[in-house]
Amino acid sequence: EVQLVQSRAEVKKPGESLKISCKGSAYSLTSDWIGWVRQKPGKGLEWMGLIYLRDSDTRYSPSFQGQITISADKSITTAYLQWSSLKASDTAVYYCARHLLWAFDIWGQGTKVTVSS
Amino acid sequence: DIQMTQSPSSLSASVGDRVTITCRASQAISNYLAWYQQKPGEVPKLLIYAASTLHSGVPSRFSGSGSGTEFTLTISSLQPEDVAIYHCQNYDKATLISFGQGTRLDIK
Repeated sequence: EVQLVQSRAEVKKPGESLKISCKGSAYSLTSDWIGWVRQKPGKGLEWMGLIYLRDSDTRYSPSFQGQITISADKSITTAYLQWSSLKASDTAVYYCARHLLWAFDIWGQGTKVTVSS
Repeated sequence: DIQMTQSPSSLSASVGDRVTITCRASQAISNYLAWYQQKPGEVPKLLIYAASTLHSGVPSRFSGSGSGTEFTLTISSLQPEDVAIYHCQNYDKATLISFGQGTRLDIK
């Protein structure tokens, strides 16, 4: 069974950088697209971007372009989401999920990011 | 961008009721429409993809339909464990992915 395991919760200060990870349990994921989805407290889901693990082809939502960087290391079937300078408004739970047949069928457990001074 | 609007934003229904949630797109879309269930404090789970295909392991009381700009998720007989927020999501080759704002479903 394919699983996505995300890195632990983070507490950061505004202006700090952060990189969170999403590791797939199966080599077959190198042929898949992995997406990142944000969920702010009490709010809906927001798509941030997609990355194809095999060649790191990346697509960003216009709402997040320039605000985040998505990367991957196919040798360890891991995708990453990073910020160079966090803001309080980045406080949210971030999910990675496999994108297959136009939907997200397998989800990570989520990484809670809290940005507070 | 294609905007996805769900209605209602919230609803309460009784156990055994037939429940319908609607997702409307701002322009006609292909049938690349998915529905997710997110129970309180849990990770979203895929229920339906390609507008009407039930994901593996999802109870048959859930169904999806629609085309063009209007899609629906139906629960044929509401169960207590169906209390959740339901999200629709569109995939489009140009704009890629967009979610609806979610519909909160409670039991009366």
